Amino acid sequence: QKEVEQNSGPLSVPEGAIASLNCTYSDRGSQSFFWYRQYSGKSPELIMFIYSNGDKEDGRFTAQLNKASQYVSLLIRDSQPSDSATYLCAASWGSNYKLTFGKGTLLTVNP
Amino acid sequence: EADIYQTPRYLVIGTGKKITLECSQTMGHDKMYWYQQDPGMELHLIHYSYGVNSTEKGDLSSESTVSRIRTEHFPLTLESARPSHTSQYLCASSGGGTNEKLFFGSGTQLSVL
Repeated sequence: QKEVEQNSGPLSVPEGAIASLNCTYSDRGSQSFFWYRQYSGKSPELIMFIYSNGDKEDGRFTAQLNKASQYVSLLIRDSQPSDSATYLCAASWGSNYKLTFGKGTLLTVNP
Repeated sequence: EADIYQTPRYLVIGTGKKITLECSQTMGHDKMYWYQQDPGMELHLIHYSYGVNSTEKGDLSSESTVSRIRTEHFPLTLESARPSHTSQYLCASSGGGTNEKLFFGSGTQLSVL
């Protein structure tokens, strides 16, 4: 059973701080990793994806992947109240095109 | 504008009714998916399709069925709805390549009384 686990949260940070969201996965065969943001009552929205070890930056977001430790994280710099949402980590295996999602971490950014 | 559409957005029905949740995409994607999500819980894949006339069951067992007669259309049907089917149903699609990114529709919130 391929699993994706996220730190349970909820996570609360002050506005302007760095929010750190973490995710581990069970299968070393995982190849692609995704971070989705889901506002309450809305559908998930892709914000970052990463395929190779190391860091990938996009604006205020940085995704970090360490395949040896089976660990992927998302850093949000200069957090804003509009970043308050549930963040879902997802991984795919091989060429089967299916994503397995974690349960998500609820982030609250306090003004 | 390329997008993925789901209708209805909300549906409240009685037990035993047959329902069809619609999903269409204008992004030209071959692959389409149905996920089920309960409040505060993770998404579970219930059906997927890699192309016309191709459908497979997902990781979570579901009494629903799907069809893929046209590339852009992937409806989900429940022959006899029950209260246990109450959930949010999310349709998604992805394009070509091995490192796929999913794009989601706005979802259908189904309530079976």
